[in-house]
Amino acid sequence: EAGVTQFPSHSVIEKGQTVTLRCDPISGHDNLYWYRRVMGKEIKFLLHFVKESKQDESGMPNNRFLAERTGGTYSTLKVQPAELEDSGVYFCASSQDPPGRSPLHFGNGTRLTVT
Amino acid sequence: AQSVTQPDIHITVSEGASLELRCNYSYGATPYLFWYVQSPGQGLQLLLKYFSGDTLVQGIKGFEAEFKRSQSSFNLRKPSVHWSDAAEYFCAVAPGGGALTFGSGTRLQVQP
Repeated sequence: EAGVTQFPSHSVIEKGQTVTLRCDPISGHDNLYWYRRVMGKEIKFLLHFVKESKQDESGMPNNRFLAERTGGTYSTLKVQPAELEDSGVYFCASSQDPPGRSPLHFGNGTRLTVT
Repeated sequence: AQSVTQPDIHITVSEGASLELRCNYSYGATPYLFWYVQSPGQGLQLLLKYFSGDTLVQGIKGFEAEFKRSQSSFNLRKPSVHWSDAAEYFCAVAPGGGALTFGSGTRLQVQP
């Protein structure tokens, strides 16, 4: 079984530019999560999809971040325009059920650097 | 809201020595508790989880953790550390199926 795949692995952009991160979950996993780790701090929840619907987006920092999951398969996270404080590692994770019932599988992350 | 505290940012142990990584959580009820490990350049891998029942849970790679309700703790242990255990370890809590809340992580260094 293929794991959670994230693309790109690294991205370096200038402040004000736009970046789109992509996550391909494990096939059949309805639950998809985005997390972010900024500068060695804790890993923070951004949002949770169940299929194509946003179940919980309480962690999204502001309206410069837009997440989509069209068709309930892969997901994208767009940052527009990027700011310096958006630098960090963005993780995607998926599971068949909510994390209380089945394990969360993480991708290797996308390291975003905004200069 | 729930929170997780990992008081040790960085720990160094000798290979073969025992290991204990601390984790304290704050939550109104008994949450689901997890330990994840992240090796350099890799994603997070689940080591073990606690939902209910036996408070001592066994995980992969020889790790175990003990849930202590009275101390709101879920410390991770390993009797004998191997050099390949060098990584960053994260404790996490999920309130009954909700999204995970992570601690800030403990980086483990293993000396030969």
